[in-house]
Amino acid sequence: QSVLIQPPSVSGTPGQRVTISCSGSTSNVGIKTVNWYQHVPGTAPKLLVHSDNDRPSGVPDRFSGYKSGTSASLAISGLQSEDEADYYCASWDDSLSGWVFGGGTRLTVL
Amino acid sequence: EVQLLESGGGLVQPGGSLRISCAASGFTFSSYTMNWVRQSPGKGLEWVASISSGGHIYDAESVRGRFSISRDNDKSTLYLQMNSLRAEDTAVYYCAKDTEHGSGSYCFDHWGQGVLVTVSS
Repeated sequence: QSVLIQPPSVSGTPGQRVTISCSGSTSNVGIKTVNWYQHVPGTAPKLLVHSDNDRPSGVPDRFSGYKSGTSASLAISGLQSEDEADYYCASWDDSLSGWVFGGGTRLTVL
Repeated sequence: EVQLLESGGGLVQPGGSLRISCAASGFTFSSYTMNWVRQSPGKGLEWVASISSGGHIYDAESVRGRFSISRDNDKSTLYLQMNSLRAEDTAVYYCAKDTEHGSGSYCFDHWGQGVLVTVSS
């Protein structure tokens, strides 16, 4: 059981908007920033969103991060087939003195 | 361009040892915290250990006392010494560079392609 809780899977059709939730606690998401990573199996994970809602240069503005209290979410609008991947939230946990990841959410574009 | 290249993976017996490496280029290695993250077959990403530019170390409870992270700034290389290996340590191990965005906000902004470590008899 991961410290951060994500749904195992989400799906959508091309052009749709989907959201992926990430539920944490007062020792991580509630007091630390959240990052989101995209991972296509067999490749290097890629940073999508950092500091709750900032995108690195080169990441399309279709990807948006949100946070409220101990929960965060990643929204993907204008869904494209190349968005099929696993998505992970991550945050530092003060109680564990380490990084914690969500269990990952598999996005399927139908 | 930042590049992280892991090496040293392979098959090792339970109870055995292995050291994996990550050769870094394209940035001032000595100035950044570096990390190891792994992914076991069919599972998600799991943070393993971090070492700061000053040598401060954090590690996950699952590997504490068995794994040791270190760095050689002259060689721009990160290491993970893995001892007393178990079947559940079988995973792809990724090297990741840390970066700070101000106000105590950090993330892993670059990752390597990963190296497979298989623990089996």
